[in-house]
Amino acid sequence: AQTVTQSQPEMSVQEAETVTLSCTYDTSESNYYLFWYKQPPSRQMILVIRQEAYKQQNATENRFSVNFQKAAKSFSLKISDSQLGDTAMYFCAFMKQLIGNQFYFGTGTSLTVIP
Amino acid sequence: GAVVSQHPSWVICKSGTSVKIECRSLDFQATTMFWYRQFPKQSLMLMATSNEGSKATYEQGVEKDKFLINHASLTLSTLTVTSAHPEDSSFYICSARGGRTGETQYFGPGTRLLVL
Repeated sequence: AQTVTQSQPEMSVQEAETVTLSCTYDTSESNYYLFWYKQPPSRQMILVIRQEAYKQQNATENRFSVNFQKAAKSFSLKISDSQLGDTAMYFCAFMKQLIGNQFYFGTGTSLTVIP
Repeated sequence: GAVVSQHPSWVICKSGTSVKIECRSLDFQATTMFWYRQFPKQSLMLMATSNEGSKATYEQGVEKDKFLINHASLTLSTLTVTSAHPEDSSFYICSARGGRTGETQYFGPGTRLLVL
């Protein structure tokens, strides 16, 4: 079975600073997808960034980037120039590379951006 | 693109009644949709996988007769909570598979259910 671990239940960062959220996972698969989702107080799940395991290049989306270390099974999210709107729960998710497969979610990290 | 809607956004009902929640993919077709339940300050718990034109696959511990799922078209899946009880009160979220190769899940805004 796949497991996803987020070891930081809560984090805070000053506005405009950079913060890194950690995520590790356990799998025997070689091909898979990794995701970071954001859930603000509205509770709408929003896709932040996606990484395909066969790609060595780290994914980036504007202020969001990942550090994907396949051998270490680590997938951290870096948020640069933090904004108040980044305050949310952040969930790391894993999916095997097969159609119809479910997501495995981590327990989440609550991030607060301090003005 | 890739918008998923959910209706209703919140519902209050009496114990013993049934409640239907709709999940729609608005601008793409979804052969697979997922239903989750989320308790406060916790992660999403997968309840079932809904496949268009076939029976849903339920996760262990989820009563299929309690939580009826129907995926009658490529854009609509419904979850019916039958004979609801206060312990069924929760936040229910659906998602639909999309993306270039169908690897991404796009989530609806969720439905808050309160059973009195």
